[in-house]
Amino acid sequence: AQSVAQPEDQVNVAEGNPLTVKCTYSVSGNPYLFWYVQYPNRGLQFLLKYITGDNLVKGSYGFEAEFNKSQTSFHLKKPSALVSDSALYFCAVRPFGNQFYFGTGTSLTVIP
Amino acid sequence: DTGVSQNPRHKITKRGQNVTFRCDPISEHNRLYWYRQTLGQGPEFLTYFQNEAQLEKSRLLSDRFSAERPKGSFSTLEIQRTEQGDSAMYLCASSFQGGANTEAFFGQGTRLTVV
Repeated sequence: AQSVAQPEDQVNVAEGNPLTVKCTYSVSGNPYLFWYVQYPNRGLQFLLKYITGDNLVKGSYGFEAEFNKSQTSFHLKKPSALVSDSALYFCAVRPFGNQFYFGTGTSLTVIP
Repeated sequence: DTGVSQNPRHKITKRGQNVTFRCDPISEHNRLYWYRQTLGQGPEFLTYFQNEAQLEKSRLLSDRFSAERPKGSFSTLEIQRTEQGDSAMYLCASSFQGGANTEAFFGQGTRLTVV
């Protein structure tokens, strides 16, 4: 069965500090991995993806994510958090050719 | 606007009524997905289409739920005999199957409230 786990419901970080939002996955075969962000009462907005190649992928708004195959993880990172980064973050996995499976989300709060 | 468009944005209905939501995907996208999201949860997959073919519908929550994409462009999601438990945000997304662009783009959702 395909699944995505986001072990932290809530992450708080001070503005200017680095942030990490964790994601682990379980899927058969080589997955496509994604991060999305959701602001209140809005749809999901694509941040970045891992398909193949370099384990560190860069995306929108200064976010990056590191794919670790041995740990089946795809953690989202940013070197310096902004207050405007406060939102709900979703990790997703897409087994090839199939639909997207989402985690339960992590609420990020960046404290001024 | 070339993004995914969903209408209406909000729908309030009485229990037992039927509702229909519309999704217009990005024009060159051949895949269209429907998801449901309740408060504090991640999007829950319902069904998806490749062009006009519905490839997966076993995740539709009950036989009260149905979806169509008759010409491979826009799609509709219908809920018959709505129940209070159907209250949620219904999200539509589209993607292009094939090539390197595998991400899905989401609409802003239709928020359904059943009273």
